Amino acid sequence: SAVISQKPSRDICQRGTSLTIQCQVDSQVTMMFWYRQQPGQSLTLIATANQGSEATYESGFVIDKFPISRPNLTFSTLTVSNMSPEDSSIYLCSVGVVTGAGGELFFGEGSRLTVL
Amino acid sequence: GEDVEQSLFLSVREGDSSVINCTYTDSSSTYLYWYKQEPGAGLQLLTYIFSNMDMKQDQRLTVLLNKKDKHLSLRIADTQTGDSAIYFCAEYTGNTGKLIFGQGTTLQVKP
Repeated sequence: SAVISQKPSRDICQRGTSLTIQCQVDSQVTMMFWYRQQPGQSLTLIATANQGSEATYESGFVIDKFPISRPNLTFSTLTVSNMSPEDSSIYLCSVGVVTGAGGELFFGEGSRLTVL
Repeated sequence: GEDVEQSLFLSVREGDSSVINCTYTDSSSTYLYWYKQEPGAGLQLLTYIFSNMDMKQDQRLTVLLNKKDKHLSLRIADTQTGDSAIYFCAEYTGNTGKLIFGQGTTLQVKP
């Protein structure tokens, strides 16, 4: 298993500002992802955080808006840039671990952002 | 494309069985998962089933998979108030580690 710590756990932000969310894992993992969960919605994958190279973004998400860092195999950051109220969401870090089931995703507790 | 659908809400009485349903579209899905999200918390893996299985039982949880109809269900026996949460089904294909999630089913358990 993997234990994931995210911070901040919640924040209230002003429109136009940026916020960086940190994700720390207690073990080295290859696959690390960032998801967004908008109010009342399911999880949507933002990007795959690649260690030592640029993140791989899903359709509808761009690096300028959601820059991601992955300096090593245990840590990643997601920045939500130039925030607007539409960015109010829970942002979740997850890691993929290969298991006998083929793979399992572990999630952090999430960072709940409210943009005013 | 990939799409996972769930009903949004289910209400049961304590002690009854709960059945949460999910349909998916990608026939190449290899693993199907059920995650639980309690209020204010992250997601917790409940159980999973490999696509060549029809059924998997794990204590109070029973997962049924109808691959022909691309239908997945989660049955919770003797539902307790602590089971109140949002339940997400998710499908996994390929080797990317990415999961496609359904919208989540909110389970309300009445005492």
